[in-house]
Amino acid sequence: QKEVEQNSGPLSVPEGAIASLNCTYSDRGSQSFFWYRQYSGKSPELIMSIYSNGDKEDGRFTAQLNKASQYVSLLIRDSQPSDSATYLCAVNEGGGGFKTIFGAGTRLFVKA
Amino acid sequence: DGGITQSPKYLFRKEGQNVTLSCEQNLNHDAMYWYRQDPGQGLRLIYYSQIVNDFQKGDIAEGYSVSREKKESFPLTVTSAQKNPTAFYLCASSPFTGWREQYFGPGTRLTVT
Repeated sequence: QKEVEQNSGPLSVPEGAIASLNCTYSDRGSQSFFWYRQYSGKSPELIMSIYSNGDKEDGRFTAQLNKASQYVSLLIRDSQPSDSATYLCAVNEGGGGFKTIFGAGTRLFVKA
Repeated sequence: DGGITQSPKYLFRKEGQNVTLSCEQNLNHDAMYWYRQDPGQGLRLIYYSQIVNDFQKGDIAEGYSVSREKKESFPLTVTSAQKNPTAFYLCASSPFTGWREQYFGPGTRLTVT
């Protein structure tokens, strides 16, 4: 069973701090990795995708990928109360599969 | 505006009735997906389709059916055989299956009593 694991949280950080969200995955053949943000009662919104080892930055968000350790992370700098949401890690199915496997998500609270 | 639409936003049905959830996209994406999300849980794949007139079962297809007669449309029918149909249903699309990001519609919240 291919799995994506995330700490369910909640992760609570003060406004202006760095929030660090982590994800591990079991399928060594996975090639594409995604972070989605989901506000309560809403649908997931794509915020980052990463395909190669290392860091990828987009504004206040940085995704980090380490395929050897099967580890993906998302850093949110200068956290704002509006960042309070559930963050879903998603990983494509390797070996020619056609599915994307989603983690259960980490709830983030940013305190003003 | 390009995007994915789902209707209705909220749906209430009596147990034993079939119900069809609509999903339309104008992004010209080849692949479309249906997921179910229960409170505090991740997304579970119901069905997916890579091209018109072709679709595959996901991890929890029992009690559901789909069709893909047009590239833009991928409706989901929740049948009376689905034992616990109350959930948040999400439709998504992607330029290609698996390797690329998926974009989600706003979702349909189905309540069956």
